[in-house]
Amino acid sequence: DTGVSQNPRHKITKRGQNVTFRCDPISEHNRLYWYRQTLGQGPEFLTYFQNEAQLEKSRLLSDRFSAERPKGSFSTLEIQRTEQGDSAMYLCASSPPDGGAFFGQGTRLTVV
Amino acid sequence: GDSVTQMEGPVTLSEEAFLTINCTYTATGYPSLFWYVQYPGEGLQLLLKATKADDKGSNKGFEATYRKETTSFHLEKGSVQVSDSAVYFCALDSSASKIIFGSGTRLSIRP
Repeated sequence: DTGVSQNPRHKITKRGQNVTFRCDPISEHNRLYWYRQTLGQGPEFLTYFQNEAQLEKSRLLSDRFSAERPKGSFSTLEIQRTEQGDSAMYLCASSPPDGGAFFGQGTRLTVV
Repeated sequence: GDSVTQMEGPVTLSEEAFLTINCTYTATGYPSLFWYVQYPGEGLQLLLKATKADDKGSNKGFEATYRKETTSFHLEKGSVQVSDSAVYFCALDSSASKIIFGSGTRLSIRP
């Protein structure tokens, strides 16, 4: 395992459907982040885990978004009742103790 | 709260020109500082980092020095190439919370 892995790479869904994305971080990285990026913008913070504990969640995130990291390993991000405004690239990153983040290739969500 | 401000783009240069992309930060503690690069159609890649004041991060000919007195972490390269065309993001990590990114600077290099 040489990097952060995200699945699926692309997801097209109809408005109102639920979607779930998975992130497998780099082994032994105890911090895991979810970000969202739209075209021409920088990454927007969604949520952050240290091991299995979700330590922070963006206030911009509605209740339709939920994330888990059972056992402090992989993480899932679920979006319920998707809306067209949810269309974006969803990025996962993991971080070693000395900081910085290593990003996966992202999951591109298109809500039609 | 903590924040990062970087120069707006796009920045367009000729090949072999000198590059500077400015980045300043606001932080209550002593964060680590990073530059990330995003090539067209690709994910974010860590370019370089500095974890304490006066540290210089370097990679692929790019350099940035952590200046606590000016709260800056400007990215420089002596001679840019067409292959350096990308979006560059400055970021800080206070280790107590999320990593905060600047808005990005698009760099285009003309042959």
